[in-house]
Amino acid sequence: GNSVTQMEGPVTLSEEAFLTINCTYTATGYPSLFWYVQYPGEGLQLLLKATKADDKGSNKGFEATYRKETTSFHLEKGSVQVSDSAVYFCALWGSNYKLTFGKGTLLTVNP
Amino acid sequence: EPEVTQTPSHQVTQMGQEVILRCVPISNHLYFYWYRQILGQKVEFLVSFYNNEISEKSEIFDDQFSVERPDGSNFTLKIRSTKLEDSAMYFCASSEEGRQGAWTQYFGPGTRLLVL
Repeated sequence: GNSVTQMEGPVTLSEEAFLTINCTYTATGYPSLFWYVQYPGEGLQLLLKATKADDKGSNKGFEATYRKETTSFHLEKGSVQVSDSAVYFCALWGSNYKLTFGKGTLLTVNP
Repeated sequence: EPEVTQTPSHQVTQMGQEVILRCVPISNHLYFYWYRQILGQKVEFLVSFYNNEISEKSEIFDDQFSVERPDGSNFTLKIRSTKLEDSAMYFCASSEEGRQGAWTQYFGPGTRLLVL
């Protein structure tokens, strides 16, 4: 079946540091890949997505590239801000017509 | 911006009681979903709903669970006889379409259910 593995948290960074959160997946066929973010006390919000191999999703300074050869969709940001503190979820939509999520990675950015 | 809303935000219930979790999806959306997240674990798919019937459901979604769209705006999840292990955050989501993965699912803020 489909599965998503993302790096264990928590991740703590200083403001303006570089962020990488690793995500790898297992799926049959050609899934679509997503990053969702959950700010404290709020629901899940779509951060970015990519629907085919080599696509790059980007939003709010975050980027992720769909790498079929390594089955990965790592999230990156060049310079994090305190306001980026949240839980980040990697997810895929596959041939079973449902979102499969990773466990989530808590990011804390200190000033 | 339109958003998915859920009520209540928190619910505490006794084991064996019935609970109904309510959601108001975005008005022009056609596909509706329930997910849950047990504390410290992954967000898990429960069920998807389209055209007044279940499209897909997971193995978690057994006979104790049911979903309904009782009117043109609400989408509900009922747990008939709650168990301790039903304690979780329950998320509702909706999307304009459902069969193609590129359609974004918009999530509500969740209902935290605690079964005692």
